[in-house]
Amino acid sequence: SQQGEEDPQALSIQEGENATMNCSYKTSINNLQWYRQNSGRGLVHLILIRSNEREKHSGRLRVTLDTSKKSSSLLITASRAADTASYFCATVRPPPGRRALTFGSGTRLQVQP
Amino acid sequence: DGGITQSPKYLFRKEGQNVTLSCEQNLNHDAMYWYRQDPGQGLRLIYYSQIVNDFQKGDIAEGYSVSREKKESFPLTVTSAQKNPTAFYLCASSTGVHKATNEKLFFGSGTQLSVL
Repeated sequence: SQQGEEDPQALSIQEGENATMNCSYKTSINNLQWYRQNSGRGLVHLILIRSNEREKHSGRLRVTLDTSKKSSSLLITASRAADTASYFCATVRPPPGRRALTFGSGTRLQVQP
Repeated sequence: DGGITQSPKYLFRKEGQNVTLSCEQNLNHDAMYWYRQDPGQGLRLIYYSQIVNDFQKGDIAEGYSVSREKKESFPLTVTSAQKNPTAFYLCASSTGVHKATNEKLFFGSGTQLSVL
């Protein structure tokens, strides 16, 4: 089952603009993670936010988490052509829930040079 | 050079044939996972293993089998019972559920399986 659903499914922006992707999930979580996938490749971990955190930064990435709304957002500032990829949110349930990540359907980001 | 290695990169299966996808890691991770990804879709969990000689079914285990005889290896067999096997298969590992509550996954580069 898909725990997370990303919105929008696809996003096209110009280099230098900000990109915002949203993720909604259904059950309680231990943490929420964001991953990036270049076409035809494996996923790479970007950032993890715990259920008791509201905001986290890493370089040009900013993640927010609202557990009352069961949603998260990923903001990429000053985007570059190299940011073109698919972005996925993933969640882990607290014990005794399944200790494996459940992924959303992803947002495909295209950054035009 | 530590990491997680999947092979082959491309694999073709004939009707009625079982095929095995390899996944090896040298990160000393306890937990390993198999995910399936269909075009334009997210990842769905097939099987996962938290420790050697133990594994659990994920959301779409039917038609697949795994083994975990060694910590470093978690091969996935796609059996003839899997009627729609064409997909991109991703293997991942993590430190292990008993060591950390906040864990990230390390992924291999994937195997594209197609039916002839």
